[in-house]
Amino acid sequence: SQQGEEDPQALSIQEGENATMNCSYKTSINNLQWYRQNSGRGLVHLILIRSNEREKHSGRLRVTLDTSKKSSSLLITASRAADTASYFCATDQAGTALIFGKGTTLSVSS
Amino acid sequence: EAQVTQNPRYLITVTGKKLTVTCSQNMNHEYMSWYRQDPGLGLRQIYYSMNVEVTDKGDVPEGYKVSRKEKRNFPLILESPSPNQTSLYFCASSPPRGSGANVLTFGAGSRLTVL
Repeated sequence: SQQGEEDPQALSIQEGENATMNCSYKTSINNLQWYRQNSGRGLVHLILIRSNEREKHSGRLRVTLDTSKKSSSLLITASRAADTASYFCATDQAGTALIFGKGTTLSVSS
Repeated sequence: EAQVTQNPRYLITVTGKKLTVTCSQNMNHEYMSWYRQDPGLGLRQIYYSMNVEVTDKGDVPEGYKVSRKEKRNFPLILESPSPNQTSLYFCASSPPRGSGANVLTFGAGSRLTVL
């Protein structure tokens, strides 16, 4: 039961550029979360945005949520080579498990 | 250090040989879950547990068993592994569902190959 779908599937940028990835989902949510996964390793939580919030910042990360369009975006500003990873959105619906999308693979070259 | 610990990290086994992947967390989390990750399919939930002695199926439970006898441990059991269970497995835990802070902490992963 895939809920979140990230777009694009893959993204390649140069260091210093901004990276934007999007997530669309299908049903009402309590919150939406973004996670990062370095190659073959466990996922690490980045940021959580609740359904009544529209925008949230954490360092170089900016997340927006549009519940009317059932979509979210993750912006990473001034990307670094260390940002190279896969990024997953995960949606939290009441009474169900956190459901992950298939991820966006970001490659940042120097 | 707050963490989720999985063992083994890497395992090669043969079809039909029962195996257990252990998962332990030290954060007193009520919620624990197992996921498998396969190329092109993303993360899929196998089983989850809301608390001790409470477990439920996720999206892909076939061929797996779990138990939750203690709060900190949530082992994943493959009674008769088959090659289609070759995958990267993750255990994760979080505070109670509905607590408003159900952020998952993941283990480092267990890469399983079934020959």
